[in-house]
Amino acid sequence: GQNIDQPTEMTATEGAIVQINCTYQTSGFNGLFWYQQHAGEAPTFLSYNVLDGLEEKGRFSSFLSRSKGYSYLLLKELQMKDSASYLCVVMDSNYQLIWGAGTKLIIKP
Amino acid sequence: GAVVSQHPSWVICKSGTSVKIECRSLDFQATTMFWYRQFPKQSLMLMATSNEGSKATYEQGVEKDKFLINHASLTLSTLTVTSAHPEDSSFYICSARDMTEGDNSPLHFGNGTRLTVT
Repeated sequence: GQNIDQPTEMTATEGAIVQINCTYQTSGFNGLFWYQQHAGEAPTFLSYNVLDGLEEKGRFSSFLSRSKGYSYLLLKELQMKDSASYLCVVMDSNYQLIWGAGTKLIIKP
Repeated sequence: GAVVSQHPSWVICKSGTSVKIECRSLDFQATTMFWYRQFPKQSLMLMATSNEGSKATYEQGVEKDKFLINHASLTLSTLTVTSAHPEDSSFYICSARDMTEGDNSPLHFGNGTRLTVT
């Protein structure tokens, strides 16, 4: 079956750095997305990786290793507004999206 | 950037009534739109894929006669929850992909509709 694993919850301190890991097992691979979702709101797109390596976008970076079925989202200079759930989503060979359960990130002052 | 407008943002209805939710792509066209449901503290669950000009594709376990989907144009899809029951209370989110961007481009999400059935 298809499966995505990410931690349920993480806590970090304002101004610090946090890394949210995601491992996946899917039928083929056509890219991996990270979305941010604040409570009660729809997800917003953060990043997309289809090739191995690091994609940097401001305070957020996303890394992919296809051979390991592994990705991480790195958040730097954490702000209180970064408190949200972060969803790891993989697109399989049929272009279907497989959603992780999300990681709830709690930022403390 | 691409914007998806979803309406209404929230709705309260009585058990047994029907509710229609609209999803519009404002500045792009989408041959395919997706409808998700999210229960509290759970991840998004795909309900159905809406295809312009043809029948929607429903995920296993989703009743197509209860959740009616119409994709009448390249910018509008509607989800009608028929004969709503309290267990249908949930957060419904639509999304769309710009048809010019390719199959592996990111989805653009509406703001969601919070449905409460009393």
